[in-house]
Amino acid sequence: DTVLTQSPALAVSPGERVSISCRASEGVHSFLHWYQQNPGQQPKLLIYKASNLASGVPARFSGSGSGTDFTLTIDPVEADDTATYFCHQTWNDPTFGGGTKLELK
Amino acid sequence: EVQLQESGPGLVKPSQSLSLTCSVTGYSITSNYWGWIRTFPGNKMEWMGYISYSGSTAYNPSLKSRISITRDTSKNQFFLQLNSVTTEDTGTYYCARKLGGFDYWGQGVMVTVSS
Repeated sequence: DTVLTQSPALAVSPGERVSISCRASEGVHSFLHWYQQNPGQQPKLLIYKASNLASGVPARFSGSGSGTDFTLTIDPVEADDTATYFCHQTWNDPTFGGGTKLELK
Repeated sequence: EVQLQESGPGLVKPSQSLSLTCSVTGYSITSNYWGWIRTFPGNKMEWMGYISYSGSTAYNPSLKSRISITRDTSKNQFFLQLNSVTTEDTGTYYCARKLGGFDYWGQGVMVTVSS
């Protein structure tokens, strides 16, 4: 399995910039996607194929990286961004990261 | 607008089979890929498998002996069957469309495996 590793939690103040990292145990080219999930809701696709903004997603969200190291950036962070963020790769048998819980200070 | 809706029993007994239906509106399942994903307490998310536009399937190797994904194109539905369930299969099950990432998801159905 391709293991995706994320930091468990981050805290940031509204208006700041935050970067959420995802490291793959083996190369996944650009086949890395990001989701936002709020409690009790289905995940929402934010970024597909590393750096492409999904339809309807604000431009405050951006993605970068290739190979094994990827980053989701939110700039500026807003109060509504409190959620858990998951990365997901589809280069090998699909796997998900463990999620990063973003909290606001 | 593309919409997906899961349905099925919320309680399944150990050793029995879990069967769920995903009903799709606004898009034909004869295009793209359609998947099942589940989440567990503690934020663990697991891809279970896909069925493609042509009806071919791919499954998570950890589930391969227990899982089957099929479809009914006349009803625009696809189905999940997971055999020999245990309490470790308790979680929330989602169906989703794969186009790059999973871009449209159902609301999810919580399934508990318990006697």
